Amino acid sequence: EVVLTQSPGTLSLSPGERATLSCRASQSVSSSYLAWYQQKPGQAPRLLIYGASSRATGIPDRFSGSGSGTDFTLTISRLEPEDFAVYYCQHYGSSQYSFGQGTKLEIK
Amino acid sequence: EVQLVESGGGLVQPGGSLRLSCAASGFTFSNYWMHWVRQAPGMGLVWVSRINGDGGSTTYADSVKGRFTISRDNAKNTLYLQMNSLRAEDTAVYYCVRPGSDYSKYTWFDPWGQGTLVIVSS
Repeated sequence: EVVLTQSPGTLSLSPGERATLSCRASQSVSSSYLAWYQQKPGQAPRLLIYGASSRATGIPDRFSGSGSGTDFTLTISRLEPEDFAVYYCQHYGSSQYSFGQGTKLEIK
Repeated sequence: EVQLVESGGGLVQPGGSLRLSCAASGFTFSNYWMHWVRQAPGMGLVWVSRINGDGGSTTYADSVKGRFTISRDNAKNTLYLQMNSLRAEDTAVYYCVRPGSDYSKYTWFDPWGQGTLVIVSS
């Protein structure tokens, strides 16, 4: 089973700043099978990125994904107030569909 | 518009049973694998189960294997999760999820239903 470890656990930034969130896999995975989700309190997760770098429909271009092998990154180029939330990475290339433990992006 | 609406959650005693439903609309339901994902209070996301388009293939997380049964009724565009022998650690919001691509079991999850809360407590 692929274990995904996200860092940092909490990231404190101000609107307008750049956010860099990390997701590390316990073994090399195909970038075709790596996704990122955003979850706000009381809401269901929302797909942001799939295939490591493809933005989902309707997702602003300030969100970008990159990486390969074991190291993947979600970057938010310029934080808007609505971007403060919890972010999860996911590997969907095996029958366990593992998720990372999440990174909470909070307002500084 | 694609919609997934879960129902059936509630309070149940340890050892009890509950059946969750997910009503799907806005897409050809039978073309898609479907999944259940859960989230314990204050915790992260955990995949629970999947089922293929005709219901003939199912897979479960080890934590629920032998206790939960996923099924579907394509005539009613509805996904189910029968949960038996419930434990306190099954307490969570349960999300019905559609894959982003039809006919494929290895795709991202999009969209998600709003979730239904299951509380296992005496």
